[in-house]
Amino acid sequence: GAGVSQTPSNKVTEKGKYVELRCDPISGHTALYWYRQSLGQGPEFLIYFQGTGAADDSGLPNDRFFAVRPEGSVSTLKIQRTERGDSAVYLCASSLTGDSSGYGYTFGSGTRLTVV
Amino acid sequence: TQLLEQSPQFLSIQEGENLTVYCNSSSVFSSLQWYRQEPGEGPVLLVTVVTGGEVKKLKRLTFQFGDARKDSSLHITAAQPGDTGLYLCADYWISGAGSYQLTFGKGTKLSVIP
Repeated sequence: GAGVSQTPSNKVTEKGKYVELRCDPISGHTALYWYRQSLGQGPEFLIYFQGTGAADDSGLPNDRFFAVRPEGSVSTLKIQRTERGDSAVYLCASSLTGDSSGYGYTFGSGTRLTVV
Repeated sequence: TQLLEQSPQFLSIQEGENLTVYCNSSSVFSSLQWYRQEPGEGPVLLVTVVTGGEVKKLKRLTFQFGDARKDSSLHITAAQPGDTGLYLCADYWISGAGSYQLTFGKGTKLSVIP
């Protein structure tokens, strides 16, 4: 597609439930990132994929968070036993490669997750 | 851990006015990027600066990078309502695991009133 697509755009869930957030990157982009933006904060790094593998998951806050990218394209961020503190906008970004130039990062519009 | 401080947090000005927002880092930037984020959208890259003392212009926006590469400013001339948004500065760096990451500040929320 023309841009990074994230679905759903909004998700409201009850505390303790499981949620999946989907990211469809720009076609041909091998690098994919997930960031989380809490209210009043800048985005914070969660995880980086190069192809199918999670090359860097150092930003995942705890083991309730998990992400996959089985075919090297679409990625799903999975959150188990959601807590109210997980409420945030989850942003996905993609780039052609690891992109040393800094010009290739394109963000999606995000999924706003609200845990009630 | 690098900390990026942006000031002011909020800025509301009339159309046609000039403004400057600031970004200060607790450590030297690898490379500095400025983004604008509109409500309900992801951040959009405005500029990347790498060299200390560098000045870049993008139409009515002027970006300055401090000589010591620890601070930056963004100046907007004759602000327009379309400039409204959250302005984020970020350090673009490579981790030990090989990922090109962004460390963001909290941003300056700009409102330009017609």
